[in-house]
Amino acid sequence: DAKTTQPPSMDCAEGRAANLPCNHSTISGNEYVYWYRQIHSQGPQYIIHGLKNNETNEMASLIITEDRKSSTLILPHATLRDTAVYYCIVRRPEANFGNEKLTFGTGTRLTIIP
Amino acid sequence: DTAVSQTPKYLVTQMGNDKSIKCEQNLGHDTMYWYKQDSKKFLKIMFSYNNKELIINETVPNRFSPKSPDKAHLNLHINSLELGDSAVYFCASSLLTGGHARETQYFGPGTRLLVL
Repeated sequence: DAKTTQPPSMDCAEGRAANLPCNHSTISGNEYVYWYRQIHSQGPQYIIHGLKNNETNEMASLIITEDRKSSTLILPHATLRDTAVYYCIVRRPEANFGNEKLTFGTGTRLTIIP
Repeated sequence: DTAVSQTPKYLVTQMGNDKSIKCEQNLGHDTMYWYKQDSKKFLKIMFSYNNKELIINETVPNRFSPKSPDKAHLNLHINSLELGDSAVYFCASSLLTGGHARETQYFGPGTRLLVL
């Protein structure tokens, strides 16, 4: 799976949009971009994923550049409960069932400021 | 209703003891995983099971033995516990219809193991 690079930490004011960048310059054509987050003392939580098109769900939006070498996770109206470590993970489909491991990096620690 | 549950939530034990951590999911998923998060917060896969069959077995000491009695349960037994086993252990599950990478993993709340 391709390696990802994220800033170690970011702050965002409550109510503003939080934009978390991720570089994945070695991504290959069939690899998906996933975002998970881990709120303190909890298990990782799935946020969103995409292949090449921009995606939006009830939690966030994912913007993937046309060359797919980077992406941005957008939390449109950040709240204090969004304070967490956010992980960008690039993952390819596996031929064998069950070989779907997630390789977590160090992520971005996002702090929402009141 | 809890989707992926783990017991116990906290486990404090002495070096050399044998202990088990249990995981259950009620999502109807067919694949389950164990991850370990160490003191530096690195989260790494240990094992995965698909339909009770071991698929992923990363470089983990054989003191760790996963057991999957059915698709809804994946337990982790650890023999001869060592200080370095202290970590948070997370169970996860997913549904692999067609083995596609679009299937997301759902994580349990973690078991905090402290070996003294």
